[in-house]
Amino acid sequence: EVQLVESGGGLVKPGESLRLSCAASGFTFTNACMTWFRQAPGKGLEWVGRIRSKTDGGAIDYAAPVKGRFTISRDDSINMLNLQVNSLETEDTAVYYCTTERRDSSSYFRVDYWGQGTLITVSS
Amino acid sequence: DVQMTQSPSSLSASVGDRVTITCRASQGINNHLAWFQQKPGKAPNSLIYAVSSLQSGVPSKFSGSGSGTDFTLTISSLQPEDFATYYCQQYNDYPLTFGGGTKVEIK
Repeated sequence: EVQLVESGGGLVKPGESLRLSCAASGFTFTNACMTWFRQAPGKGLEWVGRIRSKTDGGAIDYAAPVKGRFTISRDDSINMLNLQVNSLETEDTAVYYCTTERRDSSSYFRVDYWGQGTLITVSS
Repeated sequence: DVQMTQSPSSLSASVGDRVTITCRASQGINNHLAWFQQKPGKAPNSLIYAVSSLQSGVPSKFSGSGSGTDFTLTISSLQPEDFATYYCQQYNDYPLTFGGGTKVEIK
């Protein structure tokens, strides 16, 4: 059974940092493309960024609102996905979800499984 | 960015009803279109990818169709557990983008 368990969220002040983690199990993490999404309270879903597997080149892509402030990384030795979030703004308040992705029949990555999410609240 | 427009934003339906939700992309997305279900306070759940392919474990009452820029999600016979918010998403281009959601409520 695929499990994705996020942790590390909390209440922080504007300008502060946090490190989110996503512990993965039930699939071959080393080969997986992993993605972060977020959802502000009462709002829709927003893509944050994606990291490909090392065998797929390891490329990392970010959404414009977070580029330069957020860093996605992975530790394949312990099946862990990380999201370092710096210079937090009130607009970053959201539940952050990690997901696995897999290729569809045309080899494009599509979301497969979701974690339960972890909440970051940015408030002074 | 590819804009995804869902309609309606909300609907009221009864158990047993057939429900259709529409999603329109601002440009062609090569059928790289997915649907997700989200219940209040819960993480989203993957339903459909590549327009019409069901995620493993998703019941066949859910179906997707469309091509080009216009897509639909149909629930053939609404059940109590289907009352939720549904989102479409394009995964053809960066940034990945979602529709605004359709909230399906009990009539």
